[in-house]
Amino acid sequence: TAGITQAPTSQILAAGRSMTLRCTQDMRHNAMYWYRQDLGLGLRLIHYSNTAGTTGKGEVPDGYSVSRANTDDFPLTLASAVPSQTSVYFCASSAGERNEQFFGPGTRLTVL
Amino acid sequence: AQTVTQSQPEMSVQEAETVTLSCTYDTSENNYYLFWYKQPPSRQMILVIRQEAYKQQNATENRFSVNFQKAAKSFSLKISDSQLGDTAMYFCAFMKHPNFGNEKLTFGTGTRLTIIP
Repeated sequence: TAGITQAPTSQILAAGRSMTLRCTQDMRHNAMYWYRQDLGLGLRLIHYSNTAGTTGKGEVPDGYSVSRANTDDFPLTLASAVPSQTSVYFCASSAGERNEQFFGPGTRLTVL
Repeated sequence: AQTVTQSQPEMSVQEAETVTLSCTYDTSENNYYLFWYKQPPSRQMILVIRQEAYKQQNATENRFSVNFQKAAKSFSLKISDSQLGDTAMYFCAFMKHPNFGNEKLTFGTGTRLTIIP
């Protein structure tokens, strides 16, 4: 079972360009999340989706947008990248009574 | 809002020894979950252990155990017989009990643990 996949693994992006980070899960989990990880700050929630067709803002949503057209996919879009968006981005999903979140391998994004 | 504090940015211990990582949290919730995640150099986030706040018994998973003190809002992780593969960043995380759907995780800033051969 693949679990959660993210693409690309890493990317260097020029400031002002747009980019979509892809996330796909094959566990049929209802909820999905996007976090960013920055040194000294831990992981912070950007956006989430409790079920297909719904999304919500997390702690640091500015500059990011998401969509949830189906259960499996939860792409994160940066419309106009800025250097402060340089980070490692993790997608996660969860379902069930144990409320455990499963994480993808992450995408390292560098905005120059 | 919930906050999670990990006051030890870095720790190191000799192989085979026991080490305890500290975590405190602040919440007004009565029902919630606490987690420890491990992030080795591969960058993958791996769930180590999970504790439900309504359970008084401390969770254990093989060499990993927690000391959950609800009144003190403390949730420390003990690693026994430490191994080189335990070298990683460890994150403490909080989740309030979901009423509808699922809830987000609030993470601490992490503790970098190095096991010395």
